Amino acid sequence: QVQLVQSGAEVKQPGASVKVSCKASGYTFTGYFIQWVRQAPGQGLEWMGWINPDSGGTNYAQKFQGRVTMTRDTSISTAYMELSSLTSDDTAVYYCAREPRIGETDIHYWYSDIWGRGALVTVSS
Amino acid sequence: QSVLTQPPSVSAAPGQKVTISCSGSSSNIGQNYVFWYQQFPGTAPKLLIYDNNKRPSGIPDRFSGSKSGTSAILGITGLQTGDEADYYCGTWDSSLSAVVFGGGTKLTVL
Repeated sequence: QVQLVQSGAEVKQPGASVKVSCKASGYTFTGYFIQWVRQAPGQGLEWMGWINPDSGGTNYAQKFQGRVTMTRDTSISTAYMELSSLTSDDTAVYYCAREPRIGETDIHYWYSDIWGRGALVTVSS
Repeated sequence: QSVLTQPPSVSAAPGQKVTISCSGSSSNIGQNYVFWYQQFPGTAPKLLIYDNNKRPSGIPDRFSGSKSGTSAILGITGLQTGDEADYYCGTWDSSLSAVVFGGGTKLTVL
C-alpha cells in the first residue's frame, strides 16, 4: 500500500544538525511532491517546504531558509530533510507528506494526501 | 500566531452538527483552495477535505467543506465520539509564498 516510512526519534544537542529520512513505497516516487511539516509539542502545524523528487527542485519557508536542506535519492525512493543549528525551539515531530502533482509540471495542489508517522526530534543539552 | 484563524475549541452532542470556521485574507483563502486535516493525539494529520469541498476516497459525506470570500467552513454532521480530534485548515499564501495553517480546533463530542 501507499506509505511513507520515516526514520526514528532523535535527540540532539543545541547547535547540532539532524537529518530525517522519508521512504516512499506503493507509488511512483517521482510523480508527487514531498512536503515537510513540523509540530512542536502541544502546538499546531508548521510548513517547512517541499521538494520535487523528480527534478530535485526545492522551496523552503522563509523562516527556515539557510538552515534547512531537502534532498532526495530516487534510487531508493527516499526524501531527506536536514535542519542545522538546532535550538530547543526546534523540538518537534517532523512529518513528511505526499502532495499530488499535475503530470510533470511544477503546479501544486498544496494539500497532502499521505503522511508519514512523524519523527520526534528533541533538542536538549 | 497563525495566519489563518480558527476557534480553539468547539463542542456538540452526539448526532448533532458542528461547524468549524477558518478565517484568512485575500492573499491566502481569498485566492487559493482550502484543505482540512483531522488529527488524533499522537498520530499524523489525515486529509479530510481538499479543493474547498472535495472529499478523498474513504471520507464519509458527514464531512463537508465550503468557502466564501476569505473564509472557509468545515461541517460535520451526525457527530460521533470517534470524531473527537483536532482539525486544521490550510491553504497557500501567495504573499508569504508558503503553506499556512490555522491554529487548530479541538472538537469535543459531549
